[in-house]
Amino acid sequence: GAVVSQHPSRVICKSGTSVKIECRSLDFQATTMFWYRQFPKKSLMLMATSNEGSKATYEQGVEKDKFLINHASLTLSTLTVTSAHPEDSSFYICSATRGLYGYTFGSGTRLTVV
Amino acid sequence: QKEVEQNSGPLSVPEGAIASLNCTYSDRGSQSFFWYRQYSGKSPELIMSIYSNGDKEDGRFTAQLNKASQYVSLLIRDSQPSDSATYLCAVNIEYNDMRFGAGTRLTVKP
Repeated sequence: GAVVSQHPSRVICKSGTSVKIECRSLDFQATTMFWYRQFPKKSLMLMATSNEGSKATYEQGVEKDKFLINHASLTLSTLTVTSAHPEDSSFYICSATRGLYGYTFGSGTRLTVV
Repeated sequence: QKEVEQNSGPLSVPEGAIASLNCTYSDRGSQSFFWYRQYSGKSPELIMSIYSNGDKEDGRFTAQLNKASQYVSLLIRDSQPSDSATYLCAVNIEYNDMRFGAGTRLTVKP
């Protein structure tokens, strides 16, 4: 149980375009989800906390207008990278919380902007 | 002081040895503690959770928790090359708020 599905696993897009990444909790309801990015050989960096039915909370330094988060249902959160640039190329990972039972991570999305 | 601290490593052990990974945390009210394993290019996967003082064993893995010392560790017995990964310590500081350490990179040499 406690599966989080993330899609797509890989995406290549042209500079200036937008990319949407989906994160779904398959067998539990997730009122709170989290979005991370990770550069090669670096630690996870929390970008934002996504709350169902309300605005996301962004970490300092993360542009909310560039990284749009929508959490419209208890099982789905989306991250849209708008006007992507090569420096946005990274590994994006979502997770959903199960309270005291910890987080379950999606499989990640490798974004390459060319 | 960081909320969750780990030795970044790299930690290198020979195959068959015991790998010992350590983590300290700052919030005395923390209730839940976790170890995640992350292979290169993959997302983290939960391998152990521990909620009370003492040891918890699962196969070759043993998690140890000492709340008085604010210390949690992970022992991997009979280490295998397939255990080579980054291990993340995570602590729930509140119900839906978990903080991660920076991770310890483990290499098991054949």
